[in-house]
Amino acid sequence: GAVVSQHPSRVICKSGTSVKIECRSLDFQATTMFWYRQFPKQSLMLMATSNEGSKATYEQGVEKDKFLINHASLTLSTLTVTSAHPEDSSFYICSARDYEQGDNSPLHFGNGTRLTVT
Amino acid sequence: GQNIDQPTEMTATEGAIVQINCTYQTSGFNGLFWYQQHAGEAPTFLSYNVLDGLEEKGRFSSFLSRSKGYSYLLLKELQMKDSASYLCAVLDSNYQLIWGAGTKLIIKP
Repeated sequence: GAVVSQHPSRVICKSGTSVKIECRSLDFQATTMFWYRQFPKQSLMLMATSNEGSKATYEQGVEKDKFLINHASLTLSTLTVTSAHPEDSSFYICSARDYEQGDNSPLHFGNGTRLTVT
Repeated sequence: GQNIDQPTEMTATEGAIVQINCTYQTSGFNGLFWYQQHAGEAPTFLSYNVLDGLEEKGRFSSFLSRSKGYSYLLLKELQMKDSASYLCAVLDSNYQLIWGAGTKLIIKP
């Protein structure tokens, strides 16, 4: 089955620094990847849609200059949290769909990255 | 607006059966997904329904009624490991996933 790998699984950083999270589709090509954020006891919130070879589409209220997304290849998307602050501490999860299986195929999720900003 | 409703929390007993309901109002419909999410982990895919009726997969079954905008996930022979959040998500006319807030299922011995 389709596998999505996300790295790192946990990261602790100091306020003001930047953190990069990688998301890879291991056995399929993903022209589109989705980045979610989840705060404790809350549901998934879509942050942005990452498109290979073009600019990401950000959801309302998500700062594109703070959450930089790069989708340079068909198997890799990265999310960089710039100038991180404690309020950015959250669980970040990437996902992708194997479009060869159809537009209605299920999303496959990476294992998530637990970001803690001190 | 688009809306998905599911109960916030449910409690059931090990070995029993539990039904988690989901109602939705979305712009178009291209299918409904159920995901399981254990605490601190990413969601994992459970089922997909696009036609009316019941889809059975082992101990888990999912039902859909498009005319009623309604689905349920049925879990049989509950095990302690089934304690998790269950997320209902609908694929709208633009193939965008609309997520419910999730139902936290607590299994008691």
